Amino acid sequence: GDSVTQMEGPVTLSEEAFLTINCTYTATGYPSLFWYVQYPGEGLQLLLKATKADDKGSNKGFEATYRKETTSFHLEKGSVQVSDSAVYFCALSGGYGGATNKLIFGTGTLLAVQP
Amino acid sequence: EPEVTQTPSHQVTQMGQEVILRCVPISNHLYFYWYRQILGQKVEFLVSFYNNEISEKSEIFDDQFSVERPDGSNFTLKIRSTKLEDSAMYFCASSALMGNTEAFFGQGTRLTVV
Repeated sequence: GDSVTQMEGPVTLSEEAFLTINCTYTATGYPSLFWYVQYPGEGLQLLLKATKADDKGSNKGFEATYRKETTSFHLEKGSVQVSDSAVYFCALSGGYGGATNKLIFGTGTLLAVQP
Repeated sequence: EPEVTQTPSHQVTQMGQEVILRCVPISNHLYFYWYRQILGQKVEFLVSFYNNEISEKSEIFDDQFSVERPDGSNFTLKIRSTKLEDSAMYFCASSALMGNTEAFFGQGTRLTVV
């Protein structure tokens, strides 16, 4: 079945460092890809998404490009802030040719940014 | 800004007891979901609900689980006879449209079965 694999955490960075969180997927059909973020004590929030190959999703300085050839959707940010400290989840939906809208999540990666 | 709200934030129950987790989805949304996350594991899909019926469910969603939209605003998840392994964070979500569209999540209910 469809699945998402993302890098293990925690990831600890200093403020203004470059961030990459790797995410790869396995899916039949043409899934959409998402990054969700969970700040401490809050629910999951959509950070960005991409619905087809070569699309780039971006929001709040974060970017991820849908790479069909490498089945990847890596999350990047050029300069992280302490306020970016959170758990980041990679997810996909619609792998079954779009017939389902359930989300399949990775395990989440905890990012801790130190001042 | 509209949001999905879940109550309670934390529920402790004894094994074998019934629990009901409550959610108020965003008011104009049509699709509703429950997910759960056992500590340290993936967020897992449980069930989706549309037009007053289950549209999809996972293998986890067995006969012990049920969902209901009793009054047009609340969306509930009932576990009839809780087991220790039901201890998890349960997330409710809703979306406006079918397909690859954004789902809005609640803050979650942490269920602890003792």
